[in-house]
Amino acid sequence: DQQVKQNSPSLSVQEGRISILNCDYTNSMFDYFLWYKKYPAEGPTFLISISSIKDKNEDGRFTVFLNKSAKHLSLHIVPSQPGDSAVYFCAASADGGSNYKLTFGKGTLLTVNP
Amino acid sequence: DTEVTQTPKHLVMGMTNKKSLKCEQHMGHRAMYWYKQKAKKPPELMFVYSYEKLSINESVPSRFSPECPNSSLLNLHLHALQPEDSALYLCASSQERQNYGYTFGSGTRLTVV
Repeated sequence: DQQVKQNSPSLSVQEGRISILNCDYTNSMFDYFLWYKKYPAEGPTFLISISSIKDKNEDGRFTVFLNKSAKHLSLHIVPSQPGDSAVYFCAASADGGSNYKLTFGKGTLLTVNP
Repeated sequence: DTEVTQTPKHLVMGMTNKKSLKCEQHMGHRAMYWYKQKAKKPPELMFVYSYEKLSINESVPSRFSPECPNSSLLNLHLHALQPEDSALYLCASSQERQNYGYTFGSGTRLTVV
């Protein structure tokens, strides 16, 4: 049973437009959420995170929104750039991350077209 | 140095072979991890070391044996693997509280023949 779900395997957007990647979770114990970006032949790279005490966290072009009641989070990239093309993984942890364990979604392949 | 270095990048081994995957970080991180990732699947946690002690073993078969010789090194010893163990093996490290986010290595692509 997948506790972190990314239901869109792929997403294609035009350069300069907004990319919205979605993630749903089922485990109500999750209280810390992270997004990772992965290029081919490289390991995942940490992008942005959000604690359950917040509903929004922003870092440059990247914003993560958390809707706890819906158990849903999303990553917005504005404006999208061709270099953003990668697989994006949503991940979650419980106990504020102190238990070290991350549960990952299957990932969404984002393609940004010039 | 803000990297996690994994060697080798690629490994092909027979089912009777013994091999080891190596991981090194010099960021002073006190938690280190092994993850396994199959194609089109999310990374799955295998082991967590915290302060050089094994703190989590996600019911991994004994043919995978982790070792943490010191705070900078993490090994994964492989013996009598099966073809279904073929996958990308990712090492990661983090501060004591992983709110800061893991730093992943590039992985070792393992093929068992």
